[in-house]
Amino acid sequence: GQQVMQIPQYQHVQEGEDFTTYCNSSTTLSNIQWYKQRPGGHPVFLIQLVKSGEVKKQKRLTFQFGEAKKNSSLHITATQTTDVGTYFCAGCRVYGNKLVFGAGTILRVKS
Amino acid sequence: DTGVSQNPRHKITKRGQNVTFRCDPISEHNRLYWYRQTLGQGPEFLTYFQNEAQLEKSRLLSDRFSAERPKGSFSTLEIQRTEQGDSAMYLCASRGTGGTDTQYFGPGTRLTVL
Repeated sequence: GQQVMQIPQYQHVQEGEDFTTYCNSSTTLSNIQWYKQRPGGHPVFLIQLVKSGEVKKQKRLTFQFGEAKKNSSLHITATQTTDVGTYFCAGCRVYGNKLVFGAGTILRVKS
Repeated sequence: DTGVSQNPRHKITKRGQNVTFRCDPISEHNRLYWYRQTLGQGPEFLTYFQNEAQLEKSRLLSDRFSAERPKGSFSTLEIQRTEQGDSAMYLCASRGTGGTDTQYFGPGTRLTVL
């Protein structure tokens, strides 16, 4: 079945450093979504990418969707302590269907 | 607060007991999803409803698990004869009919089976 791999599993950065997490799907996706989950919380939707090669920005966060629609990345510039949490990518193979989540990247920020 | 509510928030039960969880989606959302999340993993899809119809079930959903959405509004997830391996966070998400696939997650029900 469809698998979504995410790396790294864990990253600990100094406040102000950049952070990137990568996501790879075993199958071509209809779209990919990114979620953030704070410790003890539930996943919160960040963004959805639909088009091949799409790049979207949200303040210090930059999201990319690969040309083949099988990989994606999330880059955070100049991390802050508020960025702490687990970042999940979730792939959707067919429009409107279930999401297949990666295992997440845990981000810790040291001030 | 996404507008999706789940009850109870925490449930501790003994092995072999039955448990039932409830999810109230955002009122105008016709699609409802159940996921299970264990420590260090991403949410795993369990089942999906469009209105009252259960359209897809994961292989993870053994015959001890059953989900309903009788009137196309709230949904229940029941686990019969619970096992220690059922201990997890059970998340509900809802999605509207528009062109986006965005799913809004509830706070989850944390199940601990002793």
